[in-house]
Amino acid sequence: EAQVTQNPRYLITVTGKKLTVTCSQNMNHEYMSWYRQDPGLGLRQIYYSMNVEVTDKGDVPEGYKVSRKEKRNFPLILESPSPNQTSLYFCASRDRTSYNSPLHFGNGTRLTVT
Amino acid sequence: AQSVSQHNHHVILSEAASLELGCNYSYGGTVNLFWYVQYPGQHLQLLLKYFSGDPLVKGIKGFEAEFIKSKFSFNLRKPSVQWSDTAEYFCAVNALSNDYKLSFGAGTTVTVRA
Repeated sequence: EAQVTQNPRYLITVTGKKLTVTCSQNMNHEYMSWYRQDPGLGLRQIYYSMNVEVTDKGDVPEGYKVSRKEKRNFPLILESPSPNQTSLYFCASRDRTSYNSPLHFGNGTRLTVT
Repeated sequence: AQSVSQHNHHVILSEAASLELGCNYSYGGTVNLFWYVQYPGQHLQLLLKYFSGDPLVKGIKGFEAEFIKSKFSFNLRKPSVQWSDTAEYFCAVNALSNDYKLSFGAGTTVTVRA
């Protein structure tokens, strides 16, 4: 089954404790992206990657890092989480060979930073 | 840069009522337009999309949207809603020249009462 898999689904942590949210897709998509969803703000793009070893900042990259060492994986790293990073995070991927292909989303990771 | 505005924050209606959700975008060039739906506790799923051709686009579950270029609008409609349409709806746009940057509106929560 074609899917985008995020782990964990829920995460509670404390300020300053490094964490990684994993994202993996099995559709051989070149493009992957991370979004955070906050009430009243919709989804805002954190980082995206157009292919292996190619990453770029989205609208709200501060406090986050990503890496794209393999095509299928695109982990989101919070080196020193803060309470304002409490949010619902979604990873997504799409096929860039077809310009009008839609995004496929993961099930989300709800992060709480205390 | 493109941006998306959704007029309604929360819409409450009864089953069998008609639904129309407004979406306006700001971008002077050619765009791709999307509506995504997020059912409670789930990830975003594509409802419908517009790239070119007939400005009236039909999607899944009886939804349709009309692209009016002169008004920079892409409103979503459904003639008769069901309780199962309770969800959050997001309009999204990307510029044809920047297909890696998908901008989302803030979302509209739709509550359908039985």
